[in-house]
Formats: sequence, C-alpha cells, structure tokens
Amino acid sequence: AQKVTQAQTEISVVEKEDVTLDCVYETRDTTYYLFWYKQPPSGELVFLIRRNSFDEQNEISGRYSWNFQKSTSSFNFTITASQVVDSAVYFCALSEAPGNIRDDKIIFGKGTRLHILP
Amino acid sequence: DTGVSQDPRHKITKRGQNVTFRCDPISEHNRLYWYRQTLGQGPEFLTYFQNEAQLEKSRLLSDRFSAERPKGSFSTLEIQRTEQGDSAMYLCASTKSEKLFFGSGTQLSVL
Repeated sequence: AQKVTQAQTEISVVEKEDVTLDCVYETRDTTYYLFWYKQPPSGELVFLIRRNSFDEQNEISGRYSWNFQKSTSSFNFTITASQVVDSAVYFCALSEAPGNIRDDKIIFGKGTRLHILP
Repeated sequence: DTGVSQDPRHKITKRGQNVTFRCDPISEHNRLYWYRQTLGQGPEFLTYFQNEAQLEKSRLLSDRFSAERPKGSFSTLEIQRTEQGDSAMYLCASTKSEKLFFGSGTQLSVL
C-alpha cells in the first residue's frame, strides 16, 4: 500500500531563514510520481512540483528546491530565504502507476504547517 | 482556463438531511477527483472518474455517499442521511495529466 509521511506537523522560522520540509513515502511500485502542493490560508491547493520516480535529479525553482532520494524514499522540500508569504500548509503526495487509470489516484500526507515570522 | 468551480462554498445542514455538491472541472480535463479534508489533515481520496466512468471508490465512501459524472463534464457528490462525522471540506480536482487542479472546496457543517 502507498503511504506518505510528513513527520513535521508544524514549523516556525524567522523570515529570511532557510527551512526544509521532510517527506518520506512508501510504495510497492517502481514507477510513481511524487508531488508537493501548497495550501495557503485561502484554502485552495496549489501545485508546486511533480517528480517522476526515474528522475532523481534535484530541482530548483527560484527560492524552492527539492531533493529526491530513492535510497531513503524521501522527497524533501527546501525554501531558501523564506518570506512571510510562504506561510501555508504544504502537502507531499504520491501517485502509483501513473498512466494506469485503474490505480491512478494521488495520496496525500497530513501536511506541514509552516509559519514564517516577520 | 477558468479553473475548477465548486458549489456551494459552504453548506450547513441538520443531521439526517441529504446534501448535494457540484463540481465543474476545467474543460477538456478527462479525470475528475473528489477528496475530503478535515481540520489538520491532508486531503483523503474519495473517488475519481475518467470521463463518465467512476473508476475507484475509497472505503471511506460509505453507502450514504454517491458520486456521478453523467456526461463526463460536471460531477455531483451526494451524501444521504448526513452525520456529524461528515463535517469536512469536500474538494474537487480535475486533470488531463498528473497535475491536479483543485477547486476551492465545499465546507460542510452537519449540526
């Protein structure tokens, strides 16, 4: 069975500090997708990134970066030089068997609530 | 791209009543998902459709829940004989790939 664990329920950092959100996943499949979504106070989930299980290259997008390590089944998310607008709940998610429509659902972790203090 | 629309935004009902929510996905998105989110939790998968076909239902979806997508466009989620435990945010999402686009959700409060 697939499972996503976000051990950090809540994190507070001062603005401009770097912060890393942890994500550990479990899956039986060798082919899967990993995701990060952001849920700001307004409530609407916003897609941040999708990573294919065959692509272990780390990715950087502005102040955001993602570290995918299959050896430890982790897909961590780092925000550098954090800003108050980064305050939100961040969800890591997993989809097994992408392209197999009978199993193509996305499972979310419980989320990490991030507070960026001014 | 007008986004995923959900109606109503909020619903307050008394225990035992039936409620129905509507989701209008982004046009041309063939897959539509329903999730439920309670306070402090991540979205929990309920069911999803490929066009008009309902492909999977979570064990969370009891017999009181039913979802339809009759023409492969909008979808409805009905809860019969609501219980207080049904109080949650009901989220709809659509996609034509693996990137889900979420609506703003329907917040259900069962009194």
